[in-house]
Amino acid sequence: EEQLVESGGGLVQPGGSLRLSCAASGFTFSRYWMSWVRQAPGKGLEWVANIRQDGNEENYVDSVKGRFTISRDNVKNSLYLQMDSLRAEDTAVYYCARHQGDVFDFNWFDPWGQGTLVTVSS
Amino acid sequence: DIQMTQSPSSLSASVGDRVTITCRASQRISNFINWYQHKPGKAPKVLIYAASTLQGGVPSRFSGSGSGADFTLTISSLQAEDFATYYCQQSYSTPLTFGQGTRLEIK
Repeated sequence: EEQLVESGGGLVQPGGSLRLSCAASGFTFSRYWMSWVRQAPGKGLEWVANIRQDGNEENYVDSVKGRFTISRDNVKNSLYLQMDSLRAEDTAVYYCARHQGDVFDFNWFDPWGQGTLVTVSS
Repeated sequence: DIQMTQSPSSLSASVGDRVTITCRASQRISNFINWYQHKPGKAPKVLIYAASTLQGGVPSRFSGSGSGADFTLTISSLQAEDFATYYCQQSYSTPLTFGQGTRLEIK
């Protein structure tokens, strides 16, 4: 079964840092682009960042550029999100998701993990 | 950035009803649109990709249509398990963007 499992969420103070992890299983992780998507409380889904199969291309939503860093380890079948200079508005459930299809053609998110909650508060 | 505007933002319907959700892109995106179902506490699930292709395992009562900037998701006969929030998402360009969601509630 193809599966993604996030971990690393928790409570952090404004200005603090947190590193999220996503463990992939059931498929060849190194063959796929991967993304992080978040959902703030009571809000909709927001794409955060994605990364190419070899880790040599990354894209970010403007609101996290310079503060968040996406990375991957294809040996450990894991995706990461390093979050620095955290703000209250970063409070959300963070999902990792695989890009299915061709990123330069039709592509969609499938599967998704169950999410990990990040709360930024003093 | 491409803005995706869904309507309605919420909808009350009964089992057996036909339901249509619309999504308008702020620019033409060909058919680079996907639809997801999201239930509280669960992982989102893709229903339709490339505007009209049904994801494997998704019931045939779900269908998608449209091209250019205007798109629809239709549920032909609502079932109890369909009550959830639905999102459109464009994959035409980065940043990838979602609609604000349509919450489908039981009448």
